[in-house]
Amino acid sequence: SQQGEEDPQALSIQEGENATMNCSYKTSINNLQWYRQNSGRGLVHLILIRSNEREKHSGRLRVTLDTSKKSSSLLITASRAADTASYFCATDSGGSNYKLTFGKGTLLTVNP
Amino acid sequence: KAGVTQTPRYLIKTRGQQVTLSCSPISGHRSVSWYQQTPGQGLQFLFEYFSETQRNKGNFPGRFSGRQFSNSRSEMNVSTLELGDSALYLCASSLQGRAAEAFFGQGTRLTVV
Repeated sequence: SQQGEEDPQALSIQEGENATMNCSYKTSINNLQWYRQNSGRGLVHLILIRSNEREKHSGRLRVTLDTSKKSSSLLITASRAADTASYFCATDSGGSNYKLTFGKGTLLTVNP
Repeated sequence: KAGVTQTPRYLIKTRGQQVTLSCSPISGHRSVSWYQQTPGQGLQFLFEYFSETQRNKGNFPGRFSGRQFSNSRSEMNVSTLELGDSALYLCASSLQGRAAEAFFGQGTRLTVV
């Protein structure tokens, strides 16, 4: 079953603009991660934020986490055509549950 | 440092056949997880192995099985293939046996005809 739900399902922007994707989840989590996938290939790990963190930065990426609302957002600043990909959030519920639960993803298209 | 290696990259099988996929994790990683990705169901967890033990299993039929060897390499097997098994199968490895910071391979694209 899907834990995370990304919003929007698809996003099209121009190069240089910022892109914001949102993720909502249902159960309590240990951490939340964002991944990128280019055209049906492997997933690339972008950033991990733990349940006791509210914001994290990595290069042009900014992730926020609101555990009270069970939601997270991924902001990509100054987007480039190479950022075109599907973006997924994945949650780890901790405990003995050794798995990631993924949302359905946001397809981001950055037009040159 | 070499990444996660999955073989083969592409596979075409006939209904009723069985298939074995292989995953070599990053050196030193002891946890290997498998995921199935389809357009309809998205990414779904199959199972996770740590030090040759299966610690968690997703909601898949018994036709899906896996194992892990002492060198942490893992295989998954699907028997009696069905058309619906066509998917991208992704393997992920992580260092401490947690789902945190899992590193994925490029996947094996399985097509069942």
